[in-house]
Amino acid sequence: AQSVTQLDSHVSVSEGTPVLLRCNYSSSYSPSLFWYVQHPNKGLQLLLKYTSAATLVKGINGFEAEFKKSETSFHLTKPSAHMSDAAEYFCVVSRPYNNNDMRFGAGTRLTVKP
Amino acid sequence: ETGVTQSPTHLIKTRGQQVTLRCSSQSGHNTVSWYQQALGQGPQFIFQYYREEENGRGNFPPRFSGLQFPNYSSELNVNALELDDSALYLCASSITGRTVGYGYTFGSGTRLTVV
Repeated sequence: AQSVTQLDSHVSVSEGTPVLLRCNYSSSYSPSLFWYVQHPNKGLQLLLKYTSAATLVKGINGFEAEFKKSETSFHLTKPSAHMSDAAEYFCVVSRPYNNNDMRFGAGTRLTVKP
Repeated sequence: ETGVTQSPTHLIKTRGQQVTLRCSSQSGHNTVSWYQQALGQGPQFIFQYYREEENGRGNFPPRFSGLQFPNYSSELNVNALELDDSALYLCASSITGRTVGYGYTFGSGTRLTVV
């Protein structure tokens, strides 16, 4: 079985300050992990993915995430928030070599204050 | 710009009716997955189709069914609609057979409201 827990349902930051969105995973095997972003009335866009290569993964728009097996975590970070980053973010786990049944977290809503 | 298109974008149906949602996958993607996203929640896996056959199913009743066609388009059918079926339905295409977790390309979804 596999699942993800997003530890914060809502995160609020000021523009220009760092962003940290937390995700813990549970998996009986080495997982593939993803972060997706969803802007209002839009589909899901892939930010980055971890697939057992480098543990520090760089994605689009300045986001990155670090896979920490000892902590079963895959937190998403960005050094400096931009107003356009305001959206819903989903952490996702799937089995390696098999993208059947990707499991989504409940989401974290990021608010960016001017 | 997403390569997956879904239609219609919005739909209102009455409880007990049947609905068909459509998805056109990204070119070359041989796998399509459908997700239900209720308001304020993460997407929940409904089922996946690969080479026109069901290739995995989430915890959804049989009144949720699907089809995948040779041209990579697909349908999600829901019979006997219930109020709780109101949600955003997302279609995602991918390539099965590629090495390690490849990720999906999602469409913008169909917003279904059951009244």
